Amino acid sequence: QQQVKQSPQSLIVQKGGISIINCAYENTAFDYFPWYQQFPGKGPALLIAIRPDVSEKKEGRFTISFNKSAKQFSLHIMDSQPGDSATYFCAATHKGKKVTFGTGTKLQVIP
Amino acid sequence: DTEVTQTPKHLVMGMTNKKSLKCEQHMGHRAMYWYKQKAKKPPELMFVYSYEKLSINESVPSRFSPECPNSSLLNLHLHALQPEDSALYLCASSQELVGGYGYTFGSGTRLTVV
Repeated sequence: QQQVKQSPQSLIVQKGGISIINCAYENTAFDYFPWYQQFPGKGPALLIAIRPDVSEKKEGRFTISFNKSAKQFSLHIMDSQPGDSATYFCAATHKGKKVTFGTGTKLQVIP
Repeated sequence: DTEVTQTPKHLVMGMTNKKSLKCEQHMGHRAMYWYKQKAKKPPELMFVYSYEKLSINESVPSRFSPECPNSSLLNLHLHALQPEDSALYLCASSQELVGGYGYTFGSGTRLTVV
Protein backbone atom coordinates (compact mmCIF):
# COMPACT_ATOMS: atom_id res chain seq x y z
CA GLN A 1 0.00 0.00 0.00
CA GLN A 2 3.04 2.22 0.40
CA GLN A 3 4.02 1.90 -3.26
CA VAL A 4 3.97 4.67 -5.81
CA LYS A 5 3.88 3.29 -9.34
CA GLN A 6 5.50 5.42 -12.03
CA SER A 7 5.42 5.15 -15.81
CA PRO A 8 6.93 5.15 -18.31
CA GLN A 9 10.37 3.94 -17.32
CA SER A 10 11.90 5.96 -20.15
CA LEU A 11 10.64 8.62 -22.50
CA ILE A 12 12.01 10.25 -25.63
CA VAL A 13 10.42 13.53 -26.69
CA GLN A 14 11.30 15.94 -29.45
CA LYS A 15 12.29 19.47 -28.56
CA GLY A 16 9.18 21.61 -28.19
CA GLY A 17 6.95 18.65 -27.43
CA ILE A 18 5.06 17.75 -24.27
CA SER A 19 6.54 15.23 -21.85
CA ILE A 20 4.06 13.37 -19.64
CA ILE A 21 4.98 11.17 -16.69
CA ASN A 22 2.33 9.35 -14.70
CA CYS A 23 2.18 8.11 -11.13
CA ALA A 24 -0.40 6.16 -9.14
CA TYR A 25 -0.68 5.49 -5.42
CA GLU A 26 -2.79 3.38 -3.08
CA ASN A 27 -2.37 4.97 0.33
CA THR A 28 -5.11 7.58 0.76
CA ALA A 29 -3.28 8.97 3.80
CA PHE A 30 -0.65 10.56 1.55
CA ASP A 31 -1.07 14.33 1.77
CA TYR A 32 1.78 15.73 -0.30
CA PHE A 33 3.13 14.76 -3.69
CA PRO A 34 6.50 16.19 -4.75
CA TRP A 35 8.38 15.66 -7.98
CA TYR A 36 12.17 15.53 -8.06
CA GLN A 37 14.47 16.09 -11.03
CA GLN A 38 17.86 14.41 -11.07
CA PHE A 39 20.64 15.13 -13.54
CA PRO A 40 23.46 12.60 -14.02
CA GLY A 41 26.05 12.88 -11.26
CA LYS A 42 23.81 15.11 -9.13
CA GLY A 43 21.39 14.61 -6.29
CA PRO A 44 17.63 14.94 -6.82
CA ALA A 45 16.23 18.47 -6.67
CA LEU A 46 12.68 19.35 -5.71
CA LEU A 47 10.93 20.52 -8.86
CA ILE A 48 7.28 21.04 -8.00
CA ALA A 49 4.78 19.63 -5.52
CA ILE A 50 1.04 19.45 -4.95
CA ARG A 51 -1.44 18.73 -2.17
CA PRO A 52 -4.49 16.53 -2.85
CA ASP A 53 -6.98 19.36 -2.36
CA VAL A 54 -5.73 20.96 -5.58
CA SER A 55 -6.34 19.48 -9.04
CA GLU A 56 -3.56 21.30 -10.85
CA LYS A 57 -0.43 23.27 -10.08
CA LYS A 58 1.66 25.09 -12.65
CA GLU A 59 5.16 26.50 -12.34
CA GLY A 60 6.55 27.78 -15.60
CA ARG A 61 6.62 24.94 -18.12
CA PHE A 62 5.96 22.31 -15.42
CA THR A 63 2.43 21.32 -14.43
CA ILE A 64 1.17 18.68 -12.01
CA SER A 65 -2.31 17.30 -12.66
CA PHE A 66 -3.90 15.51 -9.71
CA ASN A 67 -6.88 13.15 -9.77
CA LYS A 68 -7.78 12.32 -6.18
CA SER A 69 -10.60 9.89 -7.01
CA ALA A 70 -8.37 7.88 -9.33
CA LYS A 71 -5.38 8.19 -6.98
CA GLN A 72 -3.24 9.33 -9.87
CA PHE A 73 -1.07 12.33 -10.60
CA SER A 74 1.09 13.33 -13.51
CA LEU A 75 3.83 15.73 -14.49
CA HIS A 76 3.53 17.61 -17.77
CA ILE A 77 6.54 19.41 -19.21
CA MET A 78 5.45 21.83 -21.90
CA ASP A 79 7.79 22.96 -24.68
CA SER A 80 10.33 20.33 -23.60
CA GLN A 81 13.97 21.35 -24.02
CA PRO A 82 17.19 19.30 -24.22
CA GLY A 83 18.12 20.81 -20.84
CA ASP A 84 15.11 19.00 -19.35
CA SER A 85 16.80 15.65 -20.07
CA ALA A 86 17.05 14.05 -16.64
CA THR A 87 15.49 11.38 -14.47
CA TYR A 88 12.23 12.38 -12.81
CA PHE A 89 10.92 10.82 -9.60
CA CYS A 90 7.43 11.28 -8.29
CA ALA A 91 6.99 10.83 -4.56
CA ALA A 92 4.38 10.82 -1.84
CA THR A 93 4.43 11.43 1.87
CA HIS A 94 2.12 11.56 4.87
CA LYS A 95 2.64 14.53 7.19
CA GLY A 96 6.09 15.05 5.70
CA LYS A 97 7.40 11.87 7.26
CA LYS A 98 8.88 8.94 5.35
CA VAL A 99 8.85 9.59 1.61
CA THR A 100 7.85 6.92 -0.89
CA PHE A 101 9.52 7.48 -4.24
CA GLY A 102 8.32 6.24 -7.61
CA THR A 103 10.68 4.13 -9.68
CA GLY A 104 11.82 7.01 -11.89
CA THR A 105 11.46 8.06 -15.52
CA LYS A 106 14.47 8.82 -17.66
CA LEU A 107 13.53 11.61 -20.03
CA GLN A 108 15.52 12.38 -23.15
CA VAL A 109 14.62 15.44 -25.18
CA ILE A 110 16.10 15.30 -28.66
CA PRO A 111 16.72 18.39 -30.81
CA ASP B 1 23.85 29.35 1.48
CA THR B 2 21.24 26.91 0.16
CA GLU B 3 23.51 23.96 -0.47
CA VAL B 4 24.29 20.60 0.96
CA THR B 5 27.97 19.86 0.34
CA GLN B 6 29.25 16.29 0.22
CA THR B 7 32.84 15.12 0.15
CA PRO B 8 34.47 13.29 -1.43
CA LYS B 9 32.65 13.22 -4.77
CA HIS B 10 34.15 9.86 -5.67
CA LEU B 11 35.60 7.13 -3.47
CA VAL B 12 37.10 3.76 -4.29
CA MET B 13 37.78 1.51 -1.33
CA GLY B 14 38.77 -2.05 -0.68
CA MET B 15 36.66 -4.39 1.39
CA THR B 16 39.03 -4.12 4.35
CA ASN B 17 39.32 -0.33 4.30
CA LYS B 18 37.78 2.20 6.67
CA LYS B 19 36.60 5.45 5.13
CA SER B 20 34.19 8.25 5.94
CA LEU B 21 31.75 10.32 3.92
CA LYS B 22 31.13 13.88 4.98
CA CYS B 23 28.09 16.12 4.58
CA GLU B 24 27.73 19.78 5.54
CA GLN B 25 24.85 22.26 5.42
CA HIS B 26 24.59 25.83 6.64
CA MET B 27 20.88 26.41 6.09
CA GLY B 28 20.01 25.96 9.75
CA HIS B 29 18.18 22.73 8.95
CA ARG B 30 17.67 20.51 12.00
CA ALA B 31 17.06 17.22 10.20
CA MET B 32 19.67 15.43 8.12
CA TYR B 33 19.44 12.22 6.16
CA TRP B 34 21.57 9.58 4.47
CA TYR B 35 20.17 7.95 1.36
CA LYS B 36 21.62 5.23 -0.84
CA GLN B 37 20.88 5.20 -4.55
CA LYS B 38 21.71 2.35 -6.90
CA ALA B 39 21.83 2.93 -10.65
CA LYS B 40 18.42 3.53 -12.25
CA LYS B 41 16.67 3.25 -8.86
CA PRO B 42 15.09 5.78 -6.52
CA PRO B 43 16.90 6.83 -3.35
CA GLU B 44 16.51 4.52 -0.36
CA LEU B 45 16.48 5.97 3.14
CA MET B 46 19.25 4.77 5.45
CA PHE B 47 19.40 7.08 8.47
CA VAL B 48 17.65 10.16 9.82
CA TYR B 49 19.03 12.59 12.38
CA SER B 50 16.86 15.16 14.10
CA TYR B 51 18.47 17.78 16.33
CA GLU B 52 21.69 15.77 16.19
CA LYS B 53 20.07 12.62 17.54
CA LEU B 54 19.57 9.46 15.51
CA SER B 55 15.86 9.27 14.82
CA ILE B 56 15.56 6.50 12.25
CA ASN B 57 17.80 3.61 11.26
CA GLU B 58 16.24 1.69 8.38
CA SER B 59 17.80 -1.62 9.46
CA VAL B 60 21.10 -0.69 7.86
CA PRO B 61 24.00 -3.16 8.37
CA SER B 62 26.45 -2.17 11.10
CA ARG B 63 29.25 -1.74 8.56
CA PHE B 64 27.62 1.68 8.00
CA SER B 65 27.93 3.92 11.04
CA PRO B 66 26.43 7.42 11.02
CA GLU B 67 27.56 10.31 13.17
CA CYS B 68 26.22 13.81 13.65
CA PRO B 69 28.92 15.89 15.41
CA ASN B 70 26.87 19.10 15.28
CA SER B 71 23.83 20.59 13.62
CA SER B 72 25.71 21.35 10.39
CA LEU B 73 27.68 18.14 9.92
CA LEU B 74 26.79 14.57 9.15
CA ASN B 75 29.26 11.76 8.63
CA LEU B 76 28.90 8.20 7.43
CA HIS B 77 31.67 5.88 8.54
CA LEU B 78 32.28 2.86 6.34
CA HIS B 79 34.04 -0.35 7.34
CA ALA B 80 34.32 -3.79 5.76
CA LEU B 81 31.97 -2.97 2.92
CA GLN B 82 30.92 -5.41 0.23
CA PRO B 83 30.97 -4.84 -3.54
CA GLU B 84 27.17 -4.67 -3.50
CA ASP B 85 27.44 -1.55 -1.33
CA SER B 86 28.75 0.33 -4.37
CA ALA B 87 26.25 3.12 -4.98
CA LEU B 88 25.66 6.86 -4.90
CA TYR B 89 25.35 7.99 -1.29
CA LEU B 90 23.23 11.07 -0.89
CA CYS B 91 22.98 13.39 2.05
CA ALA B 92 19.87 15.54 2.45
CA SER B 93 18.54 18.05 4.92
CA SER B 94 15.22 19.63 5.83
CA GLN B 95 14.13 22.38 8.21
CA GLU B 96 12.49 20.01 10.62
CA LEU B 97 11.73 16.30 10.65
CA VAL B 98 9.31 16.72 7.77
CA GLY B 99 11.64 16.11 4.90
CA GLY B 100 8.78 14.79 2.86
CA TYR B 101 7.76 18.38 2.26
CA GLY B 102 11.02 19.04 0.48
CA TYR B 103 14.53 17.75 0.88
CA THR B 104 17.64 19.62 -0.13
CA PHE B 105 19.96 16.94 -1.48
CA GLY B 106 23.70 17.09 -1.94
CA SER B 107 25.35 15.90 -5.14
CA GLY B 108 26.35 12.65 -3.52
CA THR B 109 29.45 10.52 -3.13
CA ARG B 110 29.91 7.88 -5.81
CA LEU B 111 31.28 4.88 -3.86
CA THR B 112 32.93 1.90 -5.50
CA VAL B 113 33.90 -1.07 -3.34
CA VAL B 114 36.52 -3.31 -4.91
